[in-house]
Amino acid sequence: DADVTQTPRNRITKTGKRIMLECSQTKGHDRMYWYRQDPGLGLRLIYYSFDVKDINKGEISDGYSVSRQAQAKFSLSLESAIPNQTALYFCATSDRQGGHSGANVLTFGAGSRLTVL
Amino acid sequence: GENVEQHPSTLSVQEGDSAVIKCTYSDSASNYFPWYKQELGKRPQLIIDIRSNVGEKKDQRIAVTLNKTAKHFSLHITETQPEDSAVYFCAATLNDYKLSFGAGTTVTVRA
Repeated sequence: DADVTQTPRNRITKTGKRIMLECSQTKGHDRMYWYRQDPGLGLRLIYYSFDVKDINKGEISDGYSVSRQAQAKFSLSLESAIPNQTALYFCATSDRQGGHSGANVLTFGAGSRLTVL
Repeated sequence: GENVEQHPSTLSVQEGDSAVIKCTYSDSASNYFPWYKQELGKRPQLIIDIRSNVGEKKDQRIAVTLNKTAKHFSLHITETQPEDSAVYFCAATLNDYKLSFGAGTTVTVRA
């Protein structure tokens, strides 16, 4: 499903480097999210945005920042990467009116695997 | 905030048998409970969801049950098939958009 696109798909970097993960969507959804997946910990919300210039912290925002440059773009930055930020990162979108239960069904991107050495 | 616990962490079943995954949540105000399936190397996708005003929901071979009093909900897969092998995540929320996920259950269907 190419309508939520994440770049890069894989990245290896060193401790202290600045990293940006980018997400773009063609679904026309208002809401965008960044999640982190670690084995045994499930999916944890880092940041979310309901509109351009709207930014909200999730469960684990420390060490991360985000930018919602346009309705279709939401980027995640690690200002100074550290090894415990090694994880699989997912961008997701949702439409406030979507879902068969009237709820926000998340559409995920393919994921960005980040390794911090 | 909401805390969701999911059990078991791994589940191996014989093809054709049933699989059950259980989740408990901490916030009695939570009212929406989706289940996502993640196949190996793929992105999570919604497979079924339930709201707190419904006790059970079915979609072909999968069903979800909710016990609000006990604050737990379960995913039931009947007549398992190889394509059911995946990681399954439960989630809970009271406001639709801020989902709290369980740690996941890796289901393996043995031929």
